[in-house]
Amino acid sequence: DGGITQSPKYLFRKEGQNVTLSCEQNLNHDAMYWYRQDPGQGLRLIYYSQIVNDFQKGDIAEGYSVSREKKESFPLTVTSAQKNPTAFYLCATRVGGQETQYFGPGTRLLVL
Amino acid sequence: KNQVEQSPQSLIILEGKNCTLQCNYTVSPFSNLRWYKQDTGRGPVSLTIMTFSENTKSNGRYTATLDADTKQSSLHITASQLSDSASYICVVRTYNTDKLIFGTGTRLQVFP
Repeated sequence: DGGITQSPKYLFRKEGQNVTLSCEQNLNHDAMYWYRQDPGQGLRLIYYSQIVNDFQKGDIAEGYSVSREKKESFPLTVTSAQKNPTAFYLCATRVGGQETQYFGPGTRLLVL
Repeated sequence: KNQVEQSPQSLIILEGKNCTLQCNYTVSPFSNLRWYKQDTGRGPVSLTIMTFSENTKSNGRYTATLDADTKQSSLHITASQLSDSASYICVVRTYNTDKLIFGTGTRLQVFP
């Protein structure tokens, strides 16, 4: 996991509520990513950011939003528009010019 | 359609035994293939990465092979240990993009 922090480890949400997942890194990596992991499925890309103040939608961006105001931080908001938010969310980072993505410890979101 | 398929879905072996996990992909254009190890409830950690021209790469007791002609890869684990119990994910990157295609993983359980 290195210098990537995701908090909280477990998060409970009531239906209709927005919730924000935190991802912080002290690796000085340029790119940051959010993935969603569901049982029996491969990781799916939600959003990614190559540089500060810029981000792009991934394959399943609907119902999610992000911001990248600082290089160290890339929070993910799961909105009420996301109909099936229960999943394991993984944040990853990558240093510019290299290919390896380094993953954080993940946040498990449960909708009650 | 770009896809990565892994087999078996799950595998149980006894400590000390060897095992081989399989990965078949239909990703094009191909850039590289990486194997990740993911402990339960944690983020994936990179084990090996191979480009088109590489056939074999080792990382301790882990040896990955790549056959770019048949679009197949395998991960061989030698003298398994209890700590090898995890999910192993095959990931293929498309050429000249930042897009990763993730397999669904093989869940390995090593028993004493």
